[in-house]
Amino acid sequence: AQSVAQPEDQVNVAEGNPLTVKCTYSVSGNPYLFWYVQYPNRGLQFLLKYITGDNLVKGSYGFEAEFNKSQTSFHLKKPSALVSDSALYFCAVRGSRTASKLTFGTGTRLQVTL
Amino acid sequence: NAGVTQTPKFRILKIGQSMTLQCTQDMNHNYMYWYRQDPGMGLKLIYYSVGAGITDKGEVPNGYNVSRSTTEDFPLRLELAAPSQTSVYFCASSYSGQVEAFFGQGTRLTVV
Repeated sequence: AQSVAQPEDQVNVAEGNPLTVKCTYSVSGNPYLFWYVQYPNRGLQFLLKYITGDNLVKGSYGFEAEFNKSQTSFHLKKPSALVSDSALYFCAVRGSRTASKLTFGTGTRLQVTL
Repeated sequence: NAGVTQTPKFRILKIGQSMTLQCTQDMNHNYMYWYRQDPGMGLKLIYYSVGAGITDKGEVPNGYNVSRSTTEDFPLRLELAAPSQTSVYFCASSYSGQVEAFFGQGTRLTVV
């Protein structure tokens, strides 16, 4: 069965500092990986994805993520955090053999403070 | 485009009642999904569909039913509501497995 692990319930970072939100996955076949963000009382918004190609992918609002096949990881990063980045972040995966099934992690709450 | 539309936004049910959560998308997407989000538990997949007439169980299908008679609509049915079904429900759709899914705004359901 495919799965996603987000080991940190919450990440705290000061504004202007770099941030990393961790994600590891397990899936059959090649992974299709996604990051989403959720603001309070809202649905999920897509940030970025990795399907194939360059291991470093860039997405919305200055976020990027690095795919590491050997470590089965897809960590979300941003060079300089903003207070407005504070939200709940979800990593999700599909496998190339089960491309219809989209599985999410438990989410990581990012808190950026002044 | 409206995207993915869910109705209702809020609902309170009594134990044993039934209801249907509506989901419709206007993007001609093949894949559609229902998730529930419990506090601190992330999103759990209830059911999904790869096209009209085809549905499949996710991680937590018990107590729910779905149908997919058209490409646009993917309603979720609760037959005998239980307090354990208190949650926020999200519908999502995507064109294929290699592209992102789009989410509705959610339905907050309370069973008392």
